[in-house]
Amino acid sequence: EAGVAQSPRYKIIEKRQSVAFWCNPISGHATLYWYQQILGQGPKLLIQFQNNGVVDDSQLPKDRFSAERLKGVDSTLKIQPAKLEDSAVYLCASSGLAGGPVGELFFGEGSRLTVL
Amino acid sequence: AQKVTQAQTEISVVEKEDVTLDCVYETRDTTYYLFWYKQPPSGELVFLIRRNSFDEQNEISGRYSWNFQKSTSSFNFTITASQVVDSAVYFCALRSTNAGKSTFGDGTTLTVKP
Repeated sequence: EAGVAQSPRYKIIEKRQSVAFWCNPISGHATLYWYQQILGQGPKLLIQFQNNGVVDDSQLPKDRFSAERLKGVDSTLKIQPAKLEDSAVYLCASSGLAGGPVGELFFGEGSRLTVL
Repeated sequence: AQKVTQAQTEISVVEKEDVTLDCVYETRDTTYYLFWYKQPPSGELVFLIRRNSFDEQNEISGRYSWNFQKSTSSFNFTITASQVVDSAVYFCALRSTNAGKSTFGDGTTLTVKP
């Protein structure tokens, strides 16, 4: 079974530039998450999708961050314009939960963003 | 609101020592799940164990064991006879049954020295 795929693995940009990250979850997983992990901290949820609908985006800085999952499969997270404090690893995770037992999250390798 | 606290930021042990990682959580939910994940230097978080709020039975899996105590809102993780390959950051997470949202602690960095 293929895991969660993310790209790019690394990205360096200047502040005020834009960046986009892509995620392809495990096949059949209805729930997709984007987490931000700042160095030395635990992952912080940015947005959660159930199929192509948003379940929770309460911690997404909507003035600069956007995310979509148009066909209920892969997803894109965009930052525009980037700030220095956006430097972090952006983790995508998926879960097979669509109701019923709560399953674990399967994570991708992450996309490391450095904003200069 | 949910909160997960891992008070130990860093732990360093010598190989073959036993080590316990602490996790304390807060939630208003009556049903929830607790998890431990391991993040090795390569970066990818890997699932270790899940425990639901109804099941306080402790579990042992090889060198790993878990102690869940609902009365103290704790879900501690013990590695017996630690090995160098156990060196990683370990995260405790709490997941609401209703919304499926997972809240992570800030992790404990475990270093096992040869």
